[in-house]
Amino acid sequence: DSGVTQTPKHLITATGQRVTLRCSPRSGDLSVYWYQQSLDQGLQFLIQYYNGEERAKGNILERFSAQQFPDLHSELNLSSLELGDSALYFCASSDSGQGAGELFFGEGSRLTVL
Amino acid sequence: DAKTTQPTSMDCAEGRAANLPCNHSTISGNEYVYWYRQIHSQGPQYIIHGLKNNETNEMASLIITEDRKSSTLILPHATLRDTAVYYCIVRVSKAAGNKLTFGGGTRVLVKP
Repeated sequence: DSGVTQTPKHLITATGQRVTLRCSPRSGDLSVYWYQQSLDQGLQFLIQYYNGEERAKGNILERFSAQQFPDLHSELNLSSLELGDSALYFCASSDSGQGAGELFFGEGSRLTVL
Repeated sequence: DAKTTQPTSMDCAEGRAANLPCNHSTISGNEYVYWYRQIHSQGPQYIIHGLKNNETNEMASLIITEDRKSSTLILPHATLRDTAVYYCIVRVSKAAGNKLTFGGGTRVLVKP
């Protein structure tokens, strides 16, 4: 158990819809990262937040957005969903630099767009 | 962050040591080498990291060449539960705020 909690674990929806994925980081971790893993793309970095502020942005589509709340949990919003958005979405958290800097990953949210 | 090159796949026998190579010839002096693994669609799991010295923990050993252009992850006694994709990643700093960039990794199959 990494200590990172993601909900929901599975989600099935239709094209054009909007979903929200939620992530609770490990206690005390200030950084949250979102990754997308589809069959043909591997693990792709989407976006990172640090203590409520966007820190880095990767290959995140404009239809996707994220935020980190004052209690440090984060949400990834996916809108106007397309079939190609079907993937595993992972959240990870890391500490404030006191440790080895490793990322701790949740078990992921599996999104299926029909 | 420097790019890494790993074999696409490898098999190893249960109970034997598994040696996973990684090339990172463009690594910079301030870049660490990290290893993660992903067991069948689970979240990636941290294994070990190092800068220039060899490192060992309860999961594995990391051997980094003197010129730091390559490294080897050693799983001393592979078990069936070690079947996974192993990712070698180099990263500028161990401080928070630095994302991990995953490549294709090495798909390791441990056979009975």
